[in-house]
Amino acid sequence: QSALTQPRSVSGSPGQSLTLSCTGTTSDVGAYNYVSWYQQHPGKAPKLMIYDVTKRPSGVPDRFSASKSGNTASLTISGLQAADEADYYCCSYAGSYSWVFGGGTKLTVL
Amino acid sequence: EVQLVESGGGLIQPGGSLRLSCAASGFTFSSYSMNWVRQAPGKGLEWVSYISSSSSTIYYADSVKGRFTISRDNAKNSLYLQMNSLRAEDTAVYYCARMTTLHLDYWGQGTLVTVSS
Repeated sequence: QSALTQPRSVSGSPGQSLTLSCTGTTSDVGAYNYVSWYQQHPGKAPKLMIYDVTKRPSGVPDRFSASKSGNTASLTISGLQAADEADYYCCSYAGSYSWVFGGGTKLTVL
Repeated sequence: EVQLVESGGGLIQPGGSLRLSCAASGFTFSSYSMNWVRQAPGKGLEWVSYISSSSSTIYYADSVKGRFTISRDNAKNSLYLQMNSLRAEDTAVYYCARMTTLHLDYWGQGTLVTVSS
């Protein structure tokens, strides 16, 4: 499968809201409600932020929310903080026990 | 506390073999499916392989099929990735990750594999 499409970079000021997009196809994002989002700080392991399109694991602030429409999933971060500066990856189940990731979006807090 | 600790990475020549290990603790390892995910230097994440809790179901990404073998030992709480016929493009940090209902909820810190002559 081809990687999901994410913007290479986004930026925002503290306190702002930002939305990161993740576009797939009818074979992955559009086919299953199994989209997850991961936050990765430099040199660190990815951390699960959202799963099953909209669900937040315990401990993840409610400033992080997500949705899906058709073949595009979105992650919204409200009240942007300096600690949110990281790479964000979306991931979708693609059937037959396979998963596809996006290329990642680098979030910069100005 | 869930912990996943990878080991076995290193520098290997093209065509060589390497076996990665992932030691799990803090949860009932035998109840969870596990995965390997890799990240080439400066690049994004790539799913590599999946193994079910009982090892009955195993899948691979096309990029490693026929060269890599995933396995697990539930008695030792360990996950493995045998990598053969290594290529330069296999150079990456390899993460093991626990799977819960089709998402990866815990990740190890990764082990770096460098394929170079």
